[in-house]
Amino acid sequence: EVQLVESGGGLVQPGGSLRLSCAASGFTVSSNYMSWVRQAPGKGLEWVSVIYSGGSTYYADSVKGRFTISRHNSKNTLYLQMNSLRAEDTAVYYCARARSGYSIDAFDIWGQGTMVTVSS
Amino acid sequence: AIRMTQSPSSLSASTGDRVTITCRASQGISSYLAWYQQKPGKAPKLLIYAASTLQSGVPSRFSGSGSGTDFTLTISCLQSEDFATYYCQQYYSYPVTFGQGTRLEIK
Repeated sequence: EVQLVESGGGLVQPGGSLRLSCAASGFTVSSNYMSWVRQAPGKGLEWVSVIYSGGSTYYADSVKGRFTISRHNSKNTLYLQMNSLRAEDTAVYYCARARSGYSIDAFDIWGQGTMVTVSS
Repeated sequence: AIRMTQSPSSLSASTGDRVTITCRASQGISSYLAWYQQKPGKAPKLLIYAASTLQSGVPSRFSGSGSGTDFTLTISCLQSEDFATYYCQQYYSYPVTFGQGTRLEIK
């Protein structure tokens, strides 16, 4: 079965760090364009970051310089390292796969989400 | 960034109704437009991509149309399981952006 399972969310103080993981099954993370998308409580969807199959990465301006997307090929897992966290980073974080796999595309597979709360 | 604007923001309808949701892009995006359905506490689900192509497994009562800047999602003959929030998304360029959502409620 093709699926994504996120983990690593939790409560963190402002200025702190957290690393999210997204374990994939049924397909190969490194062969696909993989993104993180977040959703603040009661709000809409916001794209955060993407890693291409070739390794290139891109970020939303709101997280650039603070967040880092990466992957571990042998573990078939996607990561999001989040540093210098702010209250406005509080959200459910989803990992998602681009439908075509090799280009910017709609997201056809989503994880269940992991909640990140930034508060003192 | 390309701004996506959905209308209406909320909509009340009854089972069996036909509803249409509109999405407008701030610049031309060709047909690089997707629609998602999201239910409370769940991840979004892809319904339509390339503006009008139905994702595998999605019921045929869902349809999409448009190109350039103006797009629509139509649900013919609403079913109880269709009451949810719907989002459009452009994937013409990064940052990919979403509309603010349309909440479809039971009348």
